[in-house]
Amino acid sequence: DTEVTQTPKHLVMGMTNKKSLKCEQHMGHRAMYWYKQKAKKPPELMFVYSYEKLSINESVPSRFSPECPNSSLLNLHLHALQPEDSALYLCASSQVRTGGTQPQHFGDGTRLSIL
Amino acid sequence: AQKITQTQPGMFVQEKEAVTLDCTYDTSDQSYGLFWYKQPSSGEMIFLIYQGSYDEQNATEGRYSLNFQKARKSANLVISASQLGDSAMYFCAMREGYNTDKLIFGTGTRLQVFP
Repeated sequence: DTEVTQTPKHLVMGMTNKKSLKCEQHMGHRAMYWYKQKAKKPPELMFVYSYEKLSINESVPSRFSPECPNSSLLNLHLHALQPEDSALYLCASSQVRTGGTQPQHFGDGTRLSIL
Repeated sequence: AQKITQTQPGMFVQEKEAVTLDCTYDTSDQSYGLFWYKQPSSGEMIFLIYQGSYDEQNATEGRYSLNFQKARKSANLVISASQLGDSAMYFCAMREGYNTDKLIFGTGTRLQVFP
């Protein structure tokens, strides 16, 4: 079992729908991440939260809106997505700025399909 | 800027044999860390092993070990006694810089273990 929990595992939505992806961790980590991964490619970083504040936004379109309500939760709100947004969305958490010594721990991901 | 290179798109290995997955990197930092992750077809990214640039010994975790050659900037993953469950995508990764939480990934190697 992974220590980072993502829901739902699968999501199919139309281009006009609004949905949210959820991520929860109870490892006491204060950095949380959203990644997008297309098939046969490495994960691409989307957002980083450090101490519940957005610290990195990799120029992600505004139809993706992250939220970090508290140190254990991370949401990704989706609105007016495009078919090319279909991908595996991975959440991860880690300690903050340890100089590269601590790994990020990933959830199982949400497979998103846009119709 | 940091860069990770994995030159083997795919590898085959027979069950119970050892296999080496290659990873080379480029960085101007003196202090850095390298991570290996396993991603089965189900999607979750599983942290396997970490090697710090100042670690004097090669990292080992069970059947996983790192062949770390700092002068050559390589951090190859060795899997001993391969099992069918080792069939997966393997990614090498490092932080983009000392004072950042951003990970950069190689393009990955797909390992297939056959009986």
